[in-house]
Amino acid sequence: QSVLTQPPSASGTPGQRVTISCSGSSSNIGSNYVYWYQQLPGTAPKLLIYRNNQRPSGVPDRFSGSKSGTSASLAISGLRSEDEADYYCATWDDSLSVWVFGGGTKLTVL
Amino acid sequence: EVQVLESGGGLVQPGGSLRLSCAASGFTFSSYAMSWVRQAPGRGLEWVSATSGSGGSTYYADSVKGRFTISRDNSKNTVYLQMNSLRAEDTAVYYCAKLEEVVIRGYGMDVWGQGTTVTVSS
Repeated sequence: QSVLTQPPSASGTPGQRVTISCSGSSSNIGSNYVYWYQQLPGTAPKLLIYRNNQRPSGVPDRFSGSKSGTSASLAISGLRSEDEADYYCATWDDSLSVWVFGGGTKLTVL
Repeated sequence: EVQVLESGGGLVQPGGSLRLSCAASGFTFSSYAMSWVRQAPGRGLEWVSATSGSGGSTYYADSVKGRFTISRDNSKNTVYLQMNSLRAEDTAVYYCAKLEEVVIRGYGMDVWGQGTTVTVSS
């Protein structure tokens, strides 16, 4: 049972927009930055979004992040086949004094 | 280029020990916190431990507290994870990651290594 709750799966067709949610609490998402990671099959995780809504250089602007209260979302527009991957949210938890990850969302491009 | 490279994984019996290493390059090592994150087969990411830039502050997941020890040698640009009293449930790919800032709290992992596999089995 993860501290952060993500849907286990999401799907969309090429060109569509999909969103992945990440729900937490006041001690984690509510008071700290949210990070999103993309893990392509058989590879290491890669930073996708940092500090809630910032994109590292090289990440397409099709990817965007947002945060409101104790929830965060990752949006992917113009879905492409190469976006098929697992996506994880993460943040610091002030009460537990640990980093916490969501359980991950497997994105399928139909 | 900013890089981190893990080593030291392998097969170990339950109750045994293993030390993982993570060599960093391309950045001022002592200016950044470092972390270990693991992923059991077919499972999600699980944060394990982190150390501040100076090594003076460390944090652990409850699942490894008292068994694992994180340390760093800033003169060698290397962070370590000493794993003792290993259990079958510690079997995973262990990733080393650089954090965004010198402190651990609040600023996340921005560069990840390729991982090293630890298998705990008799």
